Amino acid sequence: DAKTTQPPSMDCAEGRAANLPCNHSTISGNEYVYWYRQIHSQGPQYIIHGLKNNETNEMASLIITEDRKSSTLILPHATLRDTAVYYCIVGSNRDDKIIFGKGTRLHILP
Amino acid sequence: GAVVSQHPSRVICKSGTSVKIECRSLDFQATTMFWYRQFPKQSLMLMATSNEGSKATYEQGVEKDKFLINHASLTLSTLTVTSAHPEDSSFYICSAGLAGASTDTQYFGPGTRLTVL
Repeated sequence: DAKTTQPPSMDCAEGRAANLPCNHSTISGNEYVYWYRQIHSQGPQYIIHGLKNNETNEMASLIITEDRKSSTLILPHATLRDTAVYYCIVGSNRDDKIIFGKGTRLHILP
Repeated sequence: GAVVSQHPSRVICKSGTSVKIECRSLDFQATTMFWYRQFPKQSLMLMATSNEGSKATYEQGVEKDKFLINHASLTLSTLTVTSAHPEDSSFYICSAGLAGASTDTQYFGPGTRLTVL
């Protein structure tokens, strides 16, 4: 079973920040939090990952709570092209097998 | 960034035939690759872990004799669906892990859509 829980769907207005939550209460000390997204009929796209510090890259920001039991992916200015299923994953390294949950289906509204 | 390719992107075959899908890491080497299957409106389901130079590790419920995996080099893994049937129609996706100065994650291929008639 997936080690994370996410809301099944969310809506966000175009141009606004999209905040996607994820619970991972059983995360281990050496496990990272990874975020991927899958646009329809494509392979998943890596977005960002972090261990305990907040991270930011050109795509998004990742906020991890101090107890590491939850995190939030932030897309600062959502566009229609951000419409996708977003997956929150925990794992310890690149060679860990990924067990996907159902993810959050994000709808960006014009 | 890291690129993983798959070939073919789409294949249609008759029931009973075998289909080979290739997964390549284009600009990095990967000792471990993964194969997933995705049915419509469902999440990705891990099928197997492909290890370079050794036998693949299959997830519970995945028939190893039906889904043959070969990881012959550090940049190529192949999945062969043997004696395909309509219920094998699905979206097959591979991934490979990349370690670097600023990343330690898996990258996914674009997927192969298999339709068995």
